[in-house]
Amino acid sequence: NAGVTQTPKFQVLKTGQSMTLQCAQDMNHNSMYWYRQDPGMGLRLIYYSASEGTTDKGEVPNGYNVSRLNKREFSLRLESAAPSQTSVYFCASSERGLAERPDTQYFGPGTRLTVL
Amino acid sequence: AQSVTQLGSHVSVSEGALVLLRCNYSSSVPPYLFWYVQYPNQGLQLLLKYTSAATLVKGINGFEAEFKKSETSFHLTKPSAHMSDAAEYFCAVSEGTGRRALTFGSGTRLQVQP
Repeated sequence: NAGVTQTPKFQVLKTGQSMTLQCAQDMNHNSMYWYRQDPGMGLRLIYYSASEGTTDKGEVPNGYNVSRLNKREFSLRLESAAPSQTSVYFCASSERGLAERPDTQYFGPGTRLTVL
Repeated sequence: AQSVTQLGSHVSVSEGALVLLRCNYSSSVPPYLFWYVQYPNQGLQLLLKYTSAATLVKGINGFEAEFKKSETSFHLTKPSAHMSDAAEYFCAVSEGTGRRALTFGSGTRLQVQP
């Protein structure tokens, strides 16, 4: 049981390049999330998926797209990377979807992205 | 809208001393509150959560937090710090009205001196 896995662990891009961050969970969770972590700002939600086939914007969605490929996988794509997207990206999952009570989110180890 | 304020971006304590990390929240409805810990170069893991049952919540590694509605606070404490507690701690709030995402505070880095 690996929990939440993310690839790659590190990535350096040039401005304008594109890339996809991969996330997978093996806990049969319904909901998945993408966050970015910047110094002094905590984590900010980029996109989330309450269930397979649905995605919604979070707090900072500009410059990103997502795909909920199936129940296990939720990818984040940067179409044209910018230096402002230099950050650490975390994927998370939780069991319940749009239920009444929020539940624990389980986080992956993160992807450290640098855009030059 | 929900929000979280963590007072003190850095806290330093001696080994064996009391740990107190402060968190105040703002929420338009009864909140659900969480504390997460992040060790260097790792993802976040849950320490404890408040979901409107007992106001004093016990978590892993000897940590606990008390929900005080009148003070809109959810401070994290541990009676005796250990070197292994050195990490960054995040308080988070969810209003539990259908959006499953958490709003995180900016984090407090705990340093434990020998």
